Amino acid sequence: EPEVTQTPSHQVTQMGQEVILRCVPISNHLYFYWYRQILGQKVEFLVSFYNNEISEKSEIFDDQFSVERPDGSNFTLKIRSTKLEDSAMYFCASTGGYPDTGELFFGEGSRLTVL
Amino acid sequence: ELKVEQNPLFLSMQEGKNYTIYCNYSTTSDRLYWYRQDPGKSLESLFVLLSNGAVKQEGRLMASLDTKARLSTLHITAAVHDLSATYFCAVEGNGGSQGNLIFGKGTKLSVKP
Repeated sequence: EPEVTQTPSHQVTQMGQEVILRCVPISNHLYFYWYRQILGQKVEFLVSFYNNEISEKSEIFDDQFSVERPDGSNFTLKIRSTKLEDSAMYFCASTGGYPDTGELFFGEGSRLTVL
Repeated sequence: ELKVEQNPLFLSMQEGKNYTIYCNYSTTSDRLYWYRQDPGKSLESLFVLLSNGAVKQEGRLMASLDTKARLSTLHITAAVHDLSATYFCAVEGNGGSQGNLIFGKGTKLSVKP
C-alpha cells in the first residue's frame, strides 16, 4: 500500500542550526502539507503546497520556515535557525490522487529536538 | 476563526461498554475527518465524512456528521483494549481549503479490562 515516508525519524540539533526534514509523498498525489505537533498537544497546520508553490500557510510558518519540492518525489521543510520552541513532531501529508477520496495521508513523522 | 472542540478530552472506559466522543466546530465546513494516534506514532485515518448526514462504520467505531448542527460524533461500541489511543477530529479551515485541517485537542481513550 502506498505511503508517505519521512526522514529522519529523529533529529537532535543545537539552537540556531539549520534543519531540513524530508518527505516522499504518495506518488500520484498533488497536494502536500506539513503539520507539527508539540508533545502532548494538538496537531497544527503549517503549510500546503500545490503546483510547485505554497497555496496556504499558517501564522506559525514564519520567515524561518521554507518548503521545496526539489525534484519529482521529495518535499522538504527547512527551518533556517532553530529555536527551542521548534521542538516537535513534524508530519508530512499528501492527498489528491485519483480517485480522490478526500483522505489526507500522514507520514510517520520526524521528531525534532532543539537543545 | 474556525475552532474545533472535542469532548471529553479524557475518557476511561471499561471493556464492553459503549461511549460517544463529540466534535463541535464553529464555522461551516462540509468535510470532517477522524484520526487515531497511538503514543509516539503517526495519524491513522479512520473516517472522512463528506456530507451532511454521512455515517460511516468500521468495526466497533461509527462516525456521523451533522453539518447543520456543526457536530460530528464518534461512537464506540463494546470497547476493547486495542481501541486505547488518542482520537482527533479535524475540519478543513479557511473556507474549505483542501487539506488545511484544524484539529481538535484530541480525546485520550483508555479502555480497561
